[in-house]
Amino acid sequence: ETGVTQTPRHLVMGMTNKKSLKCEQHLGHNAMYWYKQSAKKPLELMFVYSLEERVENNSVPSRFSPECPNSSHLFLHLHTLQPEDSALYLCASSQESGTGVHFEQFFGPGTRLTVL
Amino acid sequence: AQKVTQAQTEISVVEKEDVTLDCVYETRDTTYYLFWYKQPPSGELVFLIRRNSFDEQNEISGRYSWNFQKSTSSFNFTITASQVVDSAVYFCALLTGGGSNYKLTFGKGTLLTVNP
Repeated sequence: ETGVTQTPRHLVMGMTNKKSLKCEQHLGHNAMYWYKQSAKKPLELMFVYSLEERVENNSVPSRFSPECPNSSHLFLHLHTLQPEDSALYLCASSQESGTGVHFEQFFGPGTRLTVL
Repeated sequence: AQKVTQAQTEISVVEKEDVTLDCVYETRDTTYYLFWYKQPPSGELVFLIRRNSFDEQNEISGRYSWNFQKSTSSFNFTITASQVVDSAVYFCALLTGGGSNYKLTFGKGTLLTVNP
């Protein structure tokens, strides 16, 4: 595998289900990100794990819970979602210098989530 | 407040035409990064260019060129002699801060359709 991979690519779940999205980066990066992409809306940054530090977007509901066990893996745990949470969820990674220099992010193909 | 405006929602051109995608940004930070990404129908965002606020040199990469103008807070993207494969949604993004102040804002994107 190369680049950033995401599984599953498609997910349909009911509002009472619990599921997890998985992301793995094979680029040796030290930062990983979750994004939500809804129709007609800008890409929204949900969570950042950078240089061992988690940066949260306070507007993300608690029914989304990230987990980053190491620098190569990132999960997004989902529970009691709503139909409006249906979207494309994208994972990305980058190499952060820790000195204020930022580099481009590399994106995975996304998980298309449908909440019924 | 931080903002990225891509005023053109959709652009349609005929192959071989030149096309410019506009991006205007707002930030109070003096150090920031600007990016362009391409999202083809497959869904995966592809990095095109990164520019920091201290580097106003314009850049050309093959048929792609970028015009960074700090005076007008613009970072426009031009495709010369467009091809059908250029059809995609193009996103401009602004990154400021770091650590707990990490803030990445995407524009709403411009859908470019290149017709044969």
